[in-house]
Amino acid sequence: EPEVTQTPSHQVTQMGQEVILRCVPISNHLYFYWYRQILGQKVEFLVSFYNNEISEKSEIFDDQFSVERPDGSNFTLKIRSTKLEDSAMYFCASILANEQFFGPGTRLTVL
Amino acid sequence: KNEVEQSPQNLTAQEGEFITINCSYSVGISALHWLQQHPGGGIVSLFMLSSGKKKHGRLIATINIQEKHSSLHITASHPRDSAVYICAVPYNTDKLIFGTGTRLQVFP
Repeated sequence: EPEVTQTPSHQVTQMGQEVILRCVPISNHLYFYWYRQILGQKVEFLVSFYNNEISEKSEIFDDQFSVERPDGSNFTLKIRSTKLEDSAMYFCASILANEQFFGPGTRLTVL
Repeated sequence: KNEVEQSPQNLTAQEGEFITINCSYSVGISALHWLQQHPGGGIVSLFMLSSGKKKHGRLIATINIQEKHSSLHITASHPRDSAVYICAVPYNTDKLIFGTGTRLQVFP
């Protein structure tokens, strides 16, 4: 069964460093999403991506964040200069027929 | 303003008990999602429903669009059902707005 994959599963970084979180959505899906979940809190929408451009972004998704689909398969979330409060679980999702398929998540720890 | 509210926040049950988790939402929706999140953090989609009722194994989900309310039921609960159950609704586009989740623990 096709699935969304994410790498790495856990990333530890120093404050101020850049991180790139990678996702491989299901191949025939066209809409992609990044969500995050701070420990103990609910999952929050970050950004949606369609047709190689951002279709919607939340207030959280400021200039420190960017998304790309560099090669038609990978879907990346970049945080340019990480802050302590960026520590969270980051989920990628892709959608087909209104059903969202989630990746296993990347746990980002910023020290 | 909470657009998706779940109750209870925490639920403890003995194996075999019938479980009900409730979700209320304030926005107009086309469908509602029930998701399961295990301790490792991964999220699995359980149901997407826009009307009536769906059943998958011991899980049953119902929705009342007029009342903006959905319930997730687990029959004959088992310790492996222990997880966080999350209700989520699409808003504006297809992005999901999530409830805070219900943490279920089922003891043998």
